[in-house]
Amino acid sequence: SAVISQKPSRDICQRGTSLTIQCQVDSQVTMMFWYRQQPGQSLTLIATANQGSEATYESGFVIDKFPISRPNLTFSTLTVSNMSPEDSSIYLCSRRESSYEQYFGPGTRLTVT
Amino acid sequence: AQSVAQPEDQVNVAEGNPLTVKCTYSVSGNPYLFWYVQYPNRGLQFLLKYITGDNLVKGSYGFEAEFNKSQTSFHLKKPSALVSDSALYFCAAGGSYIPTFGRGTSLIVHP
Repeated sequence: SAVISQKPSRDICQRGTSLTIQCQVDSQVTMMFWYRQQPGQSLTLIATANQGSEATYESGFVIDKFPISRPNLTFSTLTVSNMSPEDSSIYLCSRRESSYEQYFGPGTRLTVT
Repeated sequence: AQSVAQPEDQVNVAEGNPLTVKCTYSVSGNPYLFWYVQYPNRGLQFLLKYITGDNLVKGSYGFEAEFNKSQTSFHLKKPSALVSDSALYFCAAGGSYIPTFGRGTSLIVHP
């Protein structure tokens, strides 16, 4: 199985600030994904990050709020900008294998005060 | 649009008894079906998948799932539950692109 790391594992931030979450995978992969998991709820896909192109955002998510970088085939960042308490959530990155299953990072638990 | 339903928020089972976690889906074309497990304070782990082939698929930790095309279901099963199986289970379904996740079912296995 894939090894995926995320930094930070958790953070407490003040409203109006921004936080950048890093995701590192152990081998090159074309497709990486960013999800949000709010307490007691399912995973919601924020965007798909392909290396060498702009991220593709899902309905309800915009680049100004959640800018994503994908500088190479093993790394991606998600920034949560101008945070509000409603952004408090767990943020997960994942990679998809050629055999279609996904592997997920351990998550970043964000609390906005 | 694709969708996934996990009708039970919580499933309770005694250790040693069989368990079933239900999932139904709506997908255009051939479905790609997955089960993931999330242990407390940990990320999601892949359990098993159905892409094609035998309707009964086996995965990690003794889990299996049965694809039923006529009922559009993909229920997760295990013959004998362990207390350590207690976790949050997510079903996911889609086409060849990104699957949609169900809302999750909390499995509680009692000693």
